[in-house]
Amino acid sequence: DTAVSQTPKYLVTQMGNDKSIKCEQNLGHDTMYWYKQDSKKFLKIMFSYNNKELIINETVPNRFSPKSPDKAHLNLHINSLELGDSAVYFCASSQGSTRRYFGPGTRLTVT
Amino acid sequence: KNEVEQSPQNLTAQEGEFITINCSYSVGISALHWLQQHPGGGIVSLFMLSSGKKKHGRLIATINIQEKHSSLHITASHPRDSAVYICAVGDSGGGADGLTFGKGTHLIIQP
Repeated sequence: DTAVSQTPKYLVTQMGNDKSIKCEQNLGHDTMYWYKQDSKKFLKIMFSYNNKELIINETVPNRFSPKSPDKAHLNLHINSLELGDSAVYFCASSQGSTRRYFGPGTRLTVT
Repeated sequence: KNEVEQSPQNLTAQEGEFITINCSYSVGISALHWLQQHPGGGIVSLFMLSSGKKKHGRLIATINIQEKHSSLHITASHPRDSAVYICAVGDSGGGADGLTFGKGTHLIIQP
């Protein structure tokens, strides 16, 4: 069984569109994250959510919003997509602040 | 805010060689993570450590809290070890997930 899954794996869309990336973890973890990896492969946290508290990295535009329908899911919604949003987005989970388990990534291309 | 430096940025070695990747940070931490990202893009957590040394197969991670330094060693390296290795440190100033990431070390093991 896949521990952390993301869909879709690839997403190509035009500027101005709204899109969502889904993430699910079956590890029973209490904390989930979204990371962005830029073209230089540098990882950067976007959000963390532990069922009680959403922590947002201050550099993330408010066009990005995480939505958690339940403890096992943390979906990423992006409004009004821009060229600069093109990147690989990784979902991850952990129990508290322990080891992160990463999803396979979603490569977003905005044209 | 913590500064995380990895060295070297790029490393090419022959199969069988002993590999060392270094990570240094500027401020005291709660824990240090080593991640591996394969050419296919997936990210795997290798180690999380806060003191001493951990070993898993041919991989060894050490940390010296006083010197604010960690090393990742690979013994009897193999072409399948070719990947980007990322150091990340956990501290209170590390953003939404408490992690500050290094820029990664790109390792190529030639047969």
